[in-house]
Amino acid sequence: GAGVSQSPRYKVTKRGQDVALRCDPISGHVSLYWYRQALGQGPEFLTYFNYEAQQDKSGLPNDRFSAERPEGSISTLTIQRTEQRDSAMYRCASSLGQPGLGEQFFGPGTRLTVL
Amino acid sequence: KNEVEQSPQNLTAQEGEFITINCSYSVGISALHWLQQHPGGGIVSLFMLSSGKKKHGRLIATINIQEKHSSLHITASHPRDSAVYICAVPNAGGTSYGKLTFGQGTILTVHP
Repeated sequence: GAGVSQSPRYKVTKRGQDVALRCDPISGHVSLYWYRQALGQGPEFLTYFNYEAQQDKSGLPNDRFSAERPEGSISTLTIQRTEQRDSAMYRCASSLGQPGLGEQFFGPGTRLTVL
Repeated sequence: KNEVEQSPQNLTAQEGEFITINCSYSVGISALHWLQQHPGGGIVSLFMLSSGKKKHGRLIATINIQEKHSSLHITASHPRDSAVYICAVPNAGGTSYGKLTFGQGTILTVHP
């Protein structure tokens, strides 16, 4: 079946604009995770969901970042008033069972560039 | 917060060599993840293990819960194994089981 998909794959935006990044997890996967990865660095946790419930958002850098998963499937990560330091690869992952209990399957990522 | 240390940071090998990558963490965990990031950027989960040893093809992962240490071994390494290998552990304590802390990664280059 299809893996985790993300869109857009590349996003270039001007400083101050809002962006919305979409994640479509593997069908039936309960848990969904968002990560950010700067060039040459390892992934960094942002937030995760158990169905539609956002259980931990402690990794979101500030209140310009928000995420939702209203129907327990597709998730959107929104960055308001983007800044150049927001430029990074944003990845999502999903897992079949409850958060932390299973292997995570990663999407291809969205490369965000803020000019 | 769980601190994760990987070693070595960079590893160069000749085709056919046996490879070992190490991961140590500071707080007891229920399971540890090994991930592979290809040169093209995609991340693939290799193993999730909570005790003992797991094997998949030429890859072997071991974990010692008491010593808070895991190793990833690659037997008969091949140039296509060239990638970044990352270990990750869940948040220790509390109830945020889905929050992972990642090591800095080990860059492996295998020459023909």
